[in-house]
Amino acid sequence: AQTVTQSQPEMSVQEAETVTLSCTYDTSESNYYLFWYKQPPSRQMILVIRQEAYKQQNATENRFSVNFQKAAKSFSLKISDSQLGDTAMYFCAFTDNAGNMLTFGGGTRLMVKP
Amino acid sequence: DAGVTQSPTHLIKTRGQHVTLRCSPISGHKSVSWYQQVLGQGPQFIFQYYEKEERGRGNFPDRFSARQFPNYSSELNVNALLLGDSALYLCASSLVAGEGSYEQYFGPGTRLTVT
Repeated sequence: AQTVTQSQPEMSVQEAETVTLSCTYDTSESNYYLFWYKQPPSRQMILVIRQEAYKQQNATENRFSVNFQKAAKSFSLKISDSQLGDTAMYFCAFTDNAGNMLTFGGGTRLMVKP
Repeated sequence: DAGVTQSPTHLIKTRGQHVTLRCSPISGHKSVSWYQQVLGQGPQFIFQYYEKEERGRGNFPDRFSARQFPNYSSELNVNALLLGDSALYLCASSLVAGEGSYEQYFGPGTRLTVT
C-alpha cells in the first residue's frame, strides 16, 4: 500500500516571500503520479500542480514549482512570491498508473501574513 | 460549465440513522470517486465508480455503499451512522477511470454531523 507523509502540520510565510512544503511517499510502483492540492477555508479542493513519475523535469505552474526526487521519494512544493490568497491547507497526493484512488497526506496548513 | 455539485451542503443526523449523499459530475465525466475527510486530516478514499460499475473500494465497513446512475451521477449511502462518521464527504469526477493521468475534480463537499 502507498503512503504519503507531510511532516509540517503548519507553516507561515510573509507576503511576497518563498516557502517550501515537504512531502515524502512510499510505493513499490515504478510509474505513478503525484499532486499538490490546495483546500482554502471555503473547502473546495483545487489541483495546484501535477508531476508524472517518468518525467525527470520538475513541473512548474506560474508561481508554483516542485522538486521531485524519485530515488528519495520526495516531492516538495515551492511557492514563490506568496500571496494572501495562498492561505490554505495543502495536500500532497499520490495515484498509481491505474488511477483508481488518490492517497493523500495529512496536509500542511499555510498562513501567508501581510 | 458547472463543476462537480454535491447535495446537501450540510446534514445533521442521529446515531443509528441512514444518510444519502448525492453528487453530479462535470458534464462528460464518466467516473466518480468518494472521499471522507475527517476534520484536520487528509481525505480518505471510499469508492470509485466508472460506467456504473465499482472500480475501487477503500478500507471502509459495509455500512458504506454507493452507486452510479446512467447519467453518471452518484449516491453515497451510509447506514447505522456512528459518531465517527462525522466528516466532510467529498465527491470527485474524472473523464475516465483506470488512467492515472486524468485529473480528479472535486466538489465542495457535504458536511455530515452525527449526534
